[in-house]
Amino acid sequence: NAGVTQTPKFQVLKTGQSMTLQCAQDMNHEYMSWYRQDPGMGLRLIHYSVGAGITDQGEVPNGYNVSRSTTEDFPLRLLSAAPSQTSVYFCASRNAWEIDTIYFGEGSWLTVV
Amino acid sequence: TQLLEQSPQFLSIQEGENLTVYCNSSSVFSSLQWYRQEPGEGPVLLVTVVTGGEVKKLKRLTFQFGDARKDSSLHITAAQPGDTGLYLCADGGSNYKLTFGKGTLLTVNP
Repeated sequence: NAGVTQTPKFQVLKTGQSMTLQCAQDMNHEYMSWYRQDPGMGLRLIHYSVGAGITDQGEVPNGYNVSRSTTEDFPLRLLSAAPSQTSVYFCASRNAWEIDTIYFGEGSWLTVV
Repeated sequence: TQLLEQSPQFLSIQEGENLTVYCNSSSVFSSLQWYRQEPGEGPVLLVTVVTGGEVKKLKRLTFQFGDARKDSSLHITAAQPGDTGLYLCADGGSNYKLTFGKGTLLTVNP
């Protein structure tokens, strides 16, 4: 009964450091995506994937990389963290043919100092 | 670029009151989804509407989709403290690229 699992829950980084936010789903969903949520801005799409080996950019991709080597995992990499990347990050997954199957993880709170 | 406007931004009411929140789009929705997000949690899908004029009910929540598919409303009857949360609307677009509004933060006081 795991659904979408994100790690870590909380992280503090120094400017310039790199890190990876992990996202895993156990529902065999084809579609996975990363969003960031900032006060007054709603959720904005960073990157998404429609299947293993296929990724594409969303609305705010700069400063982030993704890869999708397996159906289950979709990690988000911050190459050189900046204070502007302080945010709450959500991973989501859904299957390819049922519009109502979307699930979000519980979020990763990232602070860049 | 599609813009989704939600109103009101904040709403604080007493338990037992009724309320309506709104979502308006600058362009026609592909499909419209409503989510509820509780503090410290991810959004949870409440409903998806696709057809103009569609009405869906989920217990005390009633969702309406405008005939022109550019607006929607969420009505809650006899609100309870458990209804407290951030209500988000989103356009499904191609369904793996959601566009979200900024949300309505609802507080239901006991």
